[in-house]
Amino acid sequence: DAMVIQNPRYQVTQFGKPVTLSCSQTLNHNVMYWYQQKSSQAPKLLFHYYDKDFNNEADTPDNFQSRRPNTSFCFLDIRSPGLGDAAMYLCATSTGRVIETQYFGPGTRLLVL
Amino acid sequence: AQTVTQSQPEMSVQEAETVTLSCTYDTSESDYYLFWYKQPPSRQMILVIRQEAYKQQNATENRFSVNFQKAAKSFSLKISDSQLGDAAMYFCAYRYLRDDKIIFGKGTRLHILP
Repeated sequence: DAMVIQNPRYQVTQFGKPVTLSCSQTLNHNVMYWYQQKSSQAPKLLFHYYDKDFNNEADTPDNFQSRRPNTSFCFLDIRSPGLGDAAMYLCATSTGRVIETQYFGPGTRLLVL
Repeated sequence: AQTVTQSQPEMSVQEAETVTLSCTYDTSESDYYLFWYKQPPSRQMILVIRQEAYKQQNATENRFSVNFQKAAKSFSLKISDSQLGDAAMYFCAYRYLRDDKIIFGKGTRLHILP
């Protein structure tokens, strides 16, 4: 019954080696979000898609890119991971209606060596 | 800009007791929604309770209730009859009516003492 699926759950990459994190949803939601969460901190929004419209947060580094090829899938690409990019990456979805909550995936924990 | 402040980084409560987590926010808008999310250790974030700003009545979900004070911009969460499974990070969050984004507070880590 998983609704927001993130693969892999754990990802190890090397400093500077591109990495892609994946998110899929079975909810048919319009909006998909990517957050970065460091230990014991609030999730920080990186960007989100409303359908195909991409919305980047002003302080999201250029190193982070995203793709949404269809409604169900959204990818987070980190072009040249640095040590500071080690974090939990959370994907979330929502219908776009304000009253509706965001549904979060379990997250992918990224380790940069 | 809207902000959400949780002034208690950590709290502890004895099992079966009641605990209140504080949250204040700042906004110039009148139409918005407030949420409390729970993030257990190594588990995904889930919604605990939500409150529409236009509703005066405080939201309640089983053992969870809020004290929403719109004029004071305060939105506290009360957990009654605390259980071991309530141990988690709790995030207060705000969403403006015309925005896709949620603004989170820094969280309060709640420990339940057996």
